[in-house]
Amino acid sequence: DGGITQSPKYLFRKEGQNVTLSCEQNLNHDAMYWYRQDPGQGLRLIYYSQIVNDFQKGDIAEGYSVSREKKESFPLTVTSAQKNPTAFYLCASSSPGTGSYEQYFGPGTRLTVT
Amino acid sequence: AQSVTQPDIHITVSEGASLELRCNYSYGATPYLFWYVQSPGQGLQLLLKYFSGDTLVQGIKGFEAEFKRSQSSFNLRKPSVHWSDAAEYFCAVALTGGGNKLTFGTGTQLKVEL
Repeated sequence: DGGITQSPKYLFRKEGQNVTLSCEQNLNHDAMYWYRQDPGQGLRLIYYSQIVNDFQKGDIAEGYSVSREKKESFPLTVTSAQKNPTAFYLCASSSPGTGSYEQYFGPGTRLTVT
Repeated sequence: AQSVTQPDIHITVSEGASLELRCNYSYGATPYLFWYVQSPGQGLQLLLKYFSGDTLVQGIKGFEAEFKRSQSSFNLRKPSVHWSDAAEYFCAVALTGGGNKLTFGTGTQLKVEL
């Protein structure tokens, strides 16, 4: 089955530590996205990538970093510089080259930093 | 900048009753519009989308939505709600020609009373 996987589902870290969230897709999609979700705020775009080895900042990129070395993978690192990292993180992908704008989402990773 | 407004944060309906969730957007051109549903702790699932053509679109799970250009609205409807429809619903707009990004509303939490 094609889809997007995110691991782990729950992640706990101590303040001051960097942490990397995994996102893998086997949909052959060119574009991938990372969102942060907080209660009452909807989804906010952190970073997105339209092709391998290229990515752009979204609306709330500060304190985060990404890489896109493979088409299938788009890991997100939450650095110690992110002031309020506890949140639900969602990865998505899409295939803009087909003229289709819908995004497909993974199951999410809930990060708790104490 | 484009924006999406979902004016109802919470809605409660009785099982079997009809449902309408409101969505308004602010965008200079005809946008690409989407409705997603999210169950607690899960990713988002696409319910339906509007790109062009017939302004009444059918989606999965018995949902439909109507695009009204004059009102800048894309309201989601269902004739008879089931208890399993309880979830959070997000309206989204695609930024065409701009990296295939989606702008999301803040969501409407639907509660279904038995």
